[in-house]
Amino acid sequence: QVQLVQSGSEVKRPGASVRVSCKASGYTFSTCGISWVRQAPGQGLEWMGWISGHTDITNYAQRFQGKVTMTTDTSTNTAYMDLRSLRSDDTAVYFCARDCGGYAIFDYWGQGTLVTASS
Amino acid sequence: DIQMTQSPSSLSASVGDRVTITCRASQSIRSSLNWYHQKAGKAPNLLIYGASSLQSGVPSRFSGSGSGTDFTLTISSLQPEDFGSYYCQQSYTTPRTFGQGTKVEIK
Repeated sequence: QVQLVQSGSEVKRPGASVRVSCKASGYTFSTCGISWVRQAPGQGLEWMGWISGHTDITNYAQRFQGKVTMTTDTSTNTAYMDLRSLRSDDTAVYFCARDCGGYAIFDYWGQGTLVTASS
Repeated sequence: DIQMTQSPSSLSASVGDRVTITCRASQSIRSSLNWYHQKAGKAPNLLIYGASSLQSGVPSRFSGSGSGTDFTLTISSLQPEDFGSYYCQQSYTTPRTFGQGTKVEIK
């Protein structure tokens, strides 16, 4: 069965960087991309960007350009999301979601990773 | 960016009620509209894609309709496990955008 398993919670100082991982199993990793979606406490869902599962092609939401870097390691079927220059308003749960064919239909999700940016 | 607006923001209904949630896009998105259900502390779960296609494993009491700018999610007979928040999401163009959510409470 398809599973996306994310890394654990993180607490970072403002200005620091964080890396969240998303390990995929149960399907051929290269056939689908991964989108990242975040949810601030008590708020709705916000799409951050997408990365291909078989190339380095990415598509970031403009507001995250220069703030986020998405990568994959096809040898371990893992996607990574690096977020830098953390601010308190980056405190959120970050989800990875399978996104096949670039259709942006998020059919499987990771369990979420809480990132807290606080001094 | 395409703005997605859901209504109502919240509702309270009884088990067995028919529930309807609407989603309006700021411009035409054809049928590129998906619906998700999220319970507190959990990841969203895909219910409907392409405006009206039921995701595998999702109960048939859920249905979706609409095209262009106006869309509807209907729960034909509300069940206790249907509480939580519902989000629409457009997959027509980037950035992908979500509605603000509709919180469903069981009376």
